[in-house]
Amino acid sequence: QSVLIQPPSASGTPGQRVTISCSGGRSNIGSNAVTWYQQLPGTAPELLIFSNNQRPSGVPDRFSGSKSGTSASLAISGLQSEDEADYYCAAWDDSLSGVVFGGGTKLTVL
Amino acid sequence: EVQLVESGGGLVQPGGSLRLSCAASGFTFSSFEMNWVRQAPGKGLEWVSYISSSGATKYYAASVKGRFTISRDNAKNSLFLQMNSLRVEDTALYYCARELTAGAFDFWGQGTMVTVSS
Repeated sequence: QSVLIQPPSASGTPGQRVTISCSGGRSNIGSNAVTWYQQLPGTAPELLIFSNNQRPSGVPDRFSGSKSGTSASLAISGLQSEDEADYYCAAWDDSLSGVVFGGGTKLTVL
Repeated sequence: EVQLVESGGGLVQPGGSLRLSCAASGFTFSSFEMNWVRQAPGKGLEWVSYISSSGATKYYAASVKGRFTISRDNAKNSLFLQMNSLRVEDTALYYCARELTAGAFDFWGQGTMVTVSS
């Protein structure tokens, strides 16, 4: 059981907007910034969102992140077939003195 | 171009040891905190360990504390993970990752596979 809770799956059709949730607690999301990663099949994870809502250079603005209290969300607008991947949230946990990940959400583009 | 290249993985029996290495290039290695993250086959990501830029501060996941040791050699731009008392549940692809901010890793290697089996 992961410390951060994500839905195991999500889906959408091309062009749609999809959101993926990430629920934590006071010691992780409640106190620290949230990060989102995208992992395409057979590849290493890639940084998608850091500091709750910041995009690294090269990440399309179709991807956005938000945080409220002990929960966070990743939104993908204008869904494309190449967005089909696993998405993970992460945050530093003050109680564990380590990084905690969500269990991952498999996004399917129908 | 930032590159992280892991090596040292392989097949080991339960109770055995392995030492993973990560060769860094394309950036000032000594200025960055580094981490190891693993992914068991078909499973999600699990953070393993962190080391500060100087090597003075280290953190470990509860699942590996007391068995794994992270270290670095800034003169050789290298990160290491000494893994002792290996268990079947340590079987995973091990990634080294550069830290941008706490919990945010902006560059990852391709991973090195560790299989613990008798």
